Amino acid sequence: ELKVEQNPLFLSMQEGKNYTIYCNYSTTSDRLYWYRQDPGKSLESLFVLLSNGAVKQEGRLMASLDTKARLSTLHITAAVHDLSATYFCAVLMDSNYQLIWGAGTKLIIKP
Amino acid sequence: DADVTQTPRNRITKTGKRIMLECSQTKGHDRMYWYRQDPGLGLQLIYYSFDVKDINKGEISDGYSVSRQAQAKFSLSLESAIPNQTALYFCATSQGGTGMHTQYFGPGTRLTVL
Repeated sequence: ELKVEQNPLFLSMQEGKNYTIYCNYSTTSDRLYWYRQDPGKSLESLFVLLSNGAVKQEGRLMASLDTKARLSTLHITAAVHDLSATYFCAVLMDSNYQLIWGAGTKLIIKP
Repeated sequence: DADVTQTPRNRITKTGKRIMLECSQTKGHDRMYWYRQDPGLGLQLIYYSFDVKDINKGEISDGYSVSRQAQAKFSLSLESAIPNQTALYFCATSQGGTGMHTQYFGPGTRLTVL
């Protein structure tokens, strides 16, 4: 059974600081996704990572994938308040193409 | 216009009532999904459909049913609503084949069962 664990589940940080969210998964997969959700809103796709060593960046967010370690990271550089949200990682099950979701990391960035 | 729409956006109902939530998409995707999200928690898959004739149960299908009326429409029914079905419900779509399989989400339906 594929399991996805995120940590931390809650993170409060100051603007201007750097931090990393971790996503571990239990079995092999071809694809890993990062999504953002603002309170009470829908989920927005941020990144899709397809292969070992993949790195994608959008603004202050950078995601990477290590398939050997079954680990993805979402790194936040010089955080700003607008990045406050809940971030989810999800892994695609190769057998039936379902997404298995992490519990989410609630990120609060204080001015 | 939104690519994935859900109706209604908010619904308050009473225990025992039958409720239908509807989802439509203009993305041309073949796959559609229904998820449930409880406050402060992640997503749980209720049902998914890879085409009109292919419907599958997810991890929490008990108490729910679905209908795929067309490639673009996927509805979720609660046959007899109960209070612990109070949650935020999301519809999502994706394209099968050799692409990214990224799921795109609708705006959500907030359901309260009294």
